Amino acid sequence: AQRVTQPEKLLSVFKGAPVELKCNYSYSGSPELFWYVQYSRQRLQLLLRHISRESIKGFTADLNKGETSFHLKKPFAQEEDSAMYYCALSSASGTYKYIFGTGTRLKVLA
Amino acid sequence: DSGVTQTPKHLITATGQRVTLRCSPRSGDLSVYWYQQSLDQGLQFLIQYYNGEERAKGNILERFSAQQFPDLHSELNLSSLELGDSALYFCASSSQKGANTGELFFGEGSRLTVL
Repeated sequence: AQRVTQPEKLLSVFKGAPVELKCNYSYSGSPELFWYVQYSRQRLQLLLRHISRESIKGFTADLNKGETSFHLKKPFAQEEDSAMYYCALSSASGTYKYIFGTGTRLKVLA
Repeated sequence: DSGVTQTPKHLITATGQRVTLRCSPRSGDLSVYWYQQSLDQGLQFLIQYYNGEERAKGNILERFSAQQFPDLHSELNLSSLELGDSALYFCASSSQKGANTGELFFGEGSRLTVL
């Protein structure tokens, strides 16, 4: 079965500190993995996807198939990074489900 | 605004009632997804439609049903409502071309309160 696990509900870090938001997944095939972000009073929106291997707003995420993880990282947190972050997994073949983890609220303290 | 639009934004109703939530996808997007977000539950995948046909089903209750119309808008029908159905219901759309699902574009959600 497809499953996305985000073990931390809340993560608080100080400005300038490194950030790592954890995401583990369970899927037997080759999934597409994404990170979505929801800033205060804004819609949920895509932050980055594993296929593109890009850095967005200083965030990166590497797919580790051996550990079935897709952790989100940023070397130096900024106050504007404070938001709700969701890891998501999609299967474009087979089940076609697009599922999300429970989310991690990141608070960056001044 | 050519983004995903959902109506109504807020809805308050009583147990046992039936409601319909509506979603208009982004212009050109063929796929529509429905999600339920309850307190501390994250986004629970309910159902997906692609060009009018049901493509994937998640944890959708039998009291709930959905459809996608020829103009690609979608409706989520919730019946025999219970207190536990109170939640934020999100709709998202994607172009979903080829093998990659790609990015989902979300609406602002419909907040349902069942009293």
